[in-house]
Amino acid sequence: GAGVSQTPSNKVTEKGKYVELRCDPISGHTALYWYRQSLGQGPEFLIYFQGTGAADDSGLPNDRFFAVRPEGSVSTLKIQRTERGDSAVYLCASSPGTTNTGELFFGEGSRLTVL
Amino acid sequence: AQKVTQAQTEISVVEKEDVTLDCVYETRDTTYYLFWYKQPPSGELVFLIRRNSFDEQNEISGRYSWNFQKSTSSFNFTITASQVVDSAVYFCALSDTSTGGFKTIFGAGTRLFVKA
Repeated sequence: GAGVSQTPSNKVTEKGKYVELRCDPISGHTALYWYRQSLGQGPEFLIYFQGTGAADDSGLPNDRFFAVRPEGSVSTLKIQRTERGDSAVYLCASSPGTTNTGELFFGEGSRLTVL
Repeated sequence: AQKVTQAQTEISVVEKEDVTLDCVYETRDTTYYLFWYKQPPSGELVFLIRRNSFDEQNEISGRYSWNFQKSTSSFNFTITASQVVDSAVYFCALSDTSTGGFKTIFGAGTRLFVKA
């Protein structure tokens, strides 16, 4: 499809396990963002990529969270030693330009449940 | 620091009523951008509008209108003659240039219920 694609749509895991969430942005979009949305809250910024590099990772909550975008397209958000508090919907968005002065195009999200 | 406040957690209206969703923002920057997004039950956020800090003209798009007032740091959103399909969570958001303009901060959202 032409939109932002995220997989898996749902992931249930046990506390302490490792999880990877994948985002395939809109073709040609250079900027890619990860957000986390907890129940009843707005999206919370995690990290932003411009091309292959993480331009701003100030929103990552701790060193258990890491994200990569090795070829400047697909990105993977990695969570180590998951905790119950990591349960949320993880949203990916992309945008075409080098500054966020325009709209973000969001995927449908990956719902993570940590038991 | 950036901050977006949406004081209304939930609003319930009857179809055809007008409804206004409030948004108040904080930023130290003089150049910034304000946004509204809609999140229907399907979950995917959909962009509605962007305003930059230098353009205070109100905007109307069909049944939607936006009122931007720098003096009160507000960017309110009005839906005229609401419809059931307007039921969703609406987010106000802010992006400024203090961090290179790359980070968009969202409010907590207002859940709108439109009853038939």
